[in-house]
Amino acid sequence: DAGITQSPRYKITETGRQVTLMCHQTWSHSYMFWYRQDLGHGLRLIYYSAAADITDKGEVPDGYVVSRSKTENFPLTLESATRSQTSVYFCASSDYSNEQFFGPGTRLTVL
Amino acid sequence: GENVEQHPSTLSVQEGDSAVIKCTYSDSASNYFPWYKQELGKRPQLIIDIRSNVGEKKDQRIAVTLNKTAKHFSLHITETQPEDSAVYFCAATPGYSSASKIIFGSGTRLSIRP
Repeated sequence: DAGITQSPRYKITETGRQVTLMCHQTWSHSYMFWYRQDLGHGLRLIYYSAAADITDKGEVPDGYVVSRSKTENFPLTLESATRSQTSVYFCASSDYSNEQFFGPGTRLTVL
Repeated sequence: GENVEQHPSTLSVQEGDSAVIKCTYSDSASNYFPWYKQELGKRPQLIIDIRSNVGEKKDQRIAVTLNKTAKHFSLHITETQPEDSAVYFCAATPGYSSASKIIFGSGTRLSIRP
């Protein structure tokens, strides 16, 4: 689905550094989501957004910050990365039909 | 909040046999139940979904059933093929959510033996 992209696709960083993961969608979907995927935990919701300037916490928001100044972008920032934040991060978007379309994912390693 | 439990965590079936994955949810107001398939190294993709006003839905070899009273829903794959090997996630939309939010189960790794 070329309509939703994530960057970077791979990132290695060190503990304590700030990292921003980008998500961009071209469908003008209202809803956008950030998940992390870890073995044994499936997909856990970090933050979501119902529209520009409207965001809310998901299941595991601690250590993460989001913003949504434009409908098409939903960046996720790790303010001070920790090893426990090593994971694969997926962004997703949806319209009012509930089906979520996922981006290709970002594999983040925190050393 | 909503909690979705999924079983089994791994499942191995002979090619051509059927596979069944089961999920339970906690929020009786949940009204949307999608199933996603994730192939190795790929993103999750929706394969079938069901809404709370329907008890069963079928799409070729894939079917989903919903029992609202028991708060159970299941994925059935018949005549399994090698390309069915993947991780499958069930999910549910919390009844209070107005943001199209869904909560995922922990996943089932399905392997098809030749």
